[in-house]
Amino acid sequence: DGGITQSPKYLFRKEGQNVTLSCEQNLNHDAMYWYRQDPGQGLRLIYYSQIVNDFQKGDIAEGYSVSREKKESFPLTVTSAQKNPTAFYLCASSETGETEAFFGQGTRLTVV
Amino acid sequence: AQKVTQAQTEISVVEKEDVTLDCVYETRDTTYYLFWYKQPPSGELVFLIRRNSFDEQNEISGRYSWNFQKSTSSFNFTITASQVVDSAVYFCALITPISRLGKLTFGTGTRLTIIP
Repeated sequence: DGGITQSPKYLFRKEGQNVTLSCEQNLNHDAMYWYRQDPGQGLRLIYYSQIVNDFQKGDIAEGYSVSREKKESFPLTVTSAQKNPTAFYLCASSETGETEAFFGQGTRLTVV
Repeated sequence: AQKVTQAQTEISVVEKEDVTLDCVYETRDTTYYLFWYKQPPSGELVFLIRRNSFDEQNEISGRYSWNFQKSTSSFNFTITASQVVDSAVYFCALITPISRLGKLTFGTGTRLTIIP
């Protein structure tokens, strides 16, 4: 079945550590995105990529980094520079930037 | 700038009642796309509908219906004969050609609880 796979589902990070969240899609979509969701808030865009080897900062990119070496994969690294990383992270993909985005099941990151 | 407002933070209704979720948007563009997503407790966002700004025809899909009115910049979502499985957080979202690279602007969501 086609879809978006995020791993792990739950992730715990010690302060000062970098962690990487995985996102893989087999929908053959060109565009991929990372969103952050905090309680009581909508989704905020961290990074997005329209094609391989290209990506753009979203609204809250500070403290995060991404890569897009393959069409299917768009991993997100939460660096130690992100001061408040505890949140729910959602990855999505779409055929184009104007079509509906399909989301993964999310990764819940907690700083311990 | 674009903005999506979902003024209803939480709604609770008894099963089988009808319920309407409000969505008001702001954009200066004449071409734009509106979306509704459902987020069940599992966390994954489920796509429900996409509407472009040139199509104001209302849409019905089973118990779901959407009312798009450009005059009031609203894109409201109605669930008829609600069921417990409809309990979730619902998000309205907007994208415009200027931000077409996937920069969906989301509302803050409405948490819907259906009471058995």
